[in-house]
Amino acid sequence: QVHLVQSGLDLKWPGASVTISCRASGYIFSAFGLNWVRQAPGGGLEWMGWISPSNGRTGVAQKFQGKVTLTADKSTSTAYMEVRSLVSDDTAVYYCARDFAQSSVGLPAYWGQGSQVSVS
Amino acid sequence: EIVLTQSPGTLSLSPGERAILTCRASRPVPGNSFAWYQQKPGQAPRLLIYGTSSRATGIPARFSGSGSGTDFTLTIASLEPEDSAVYFCLHCVGLPCTFGQGTKLEI
Repeated sequence: QVHLVQSGLDLKWPGASVTISCRASGYIFSAFGLNWVRQAPGGGLEWMGWISPSNGRTGVAQKFQGKVTLTADKSTSTAYMEVRSLVSDDTAVYYCARDFAQSSVGLPAYWGQGSQVSVS
Repeated sequence: EIVLTQSPGTLSLSPGERAILTCRASRPVPGNSFAWYQQKPGQAPRLLIYGTSSRATGIPARFSGSGSGTDFTLTIASLEPEDSAVYFCLHCVGLPCTFGQGTKLEI
């Protein structure tokens, strides 16, 4: 079955960068898009971006353009998201989530366990 | 960019009652771009409804979605205690995608 395993807790100073990983298994990695979504403490879901592992095409929410870089390594079935210039408001749980279907761009259906990033 | 506004912010109901959660888009959106998620504390979100009205695999029939244009609805018929959660709507046609701010459902 579809399984997404994310990297663990990361504690960062303000101004630093963090790279979160998302290792996929149970399906053909390059066949489905991957979304990145974050959730601040007590807050709602915030869609950040999407990547097609097959060709590296990305789409990033305007709020995060210039701050976030999405990549995918087909050889290890792992996606990465780098978040730069961290501020306290970036403290959140970051999720990767696979698209529902090959034809659905940006419909997260299978979620990782979440990666906690704390900026302080 | 589309803005999704969910209402009510919090809904308190009893088991067996029906819940109606709404999501309004800032401009008309295609029905195939609309989805609903359920999130319980400490858990990742779970896809409930996609394409406005299609239930995801394993989702009970008491969950249903409807709507068109700017107004979309998630209905939970005959609430169960385990339906206590926060519910989010999502719009995504092409990119970017947008979540609503969520409705907390208390049973």
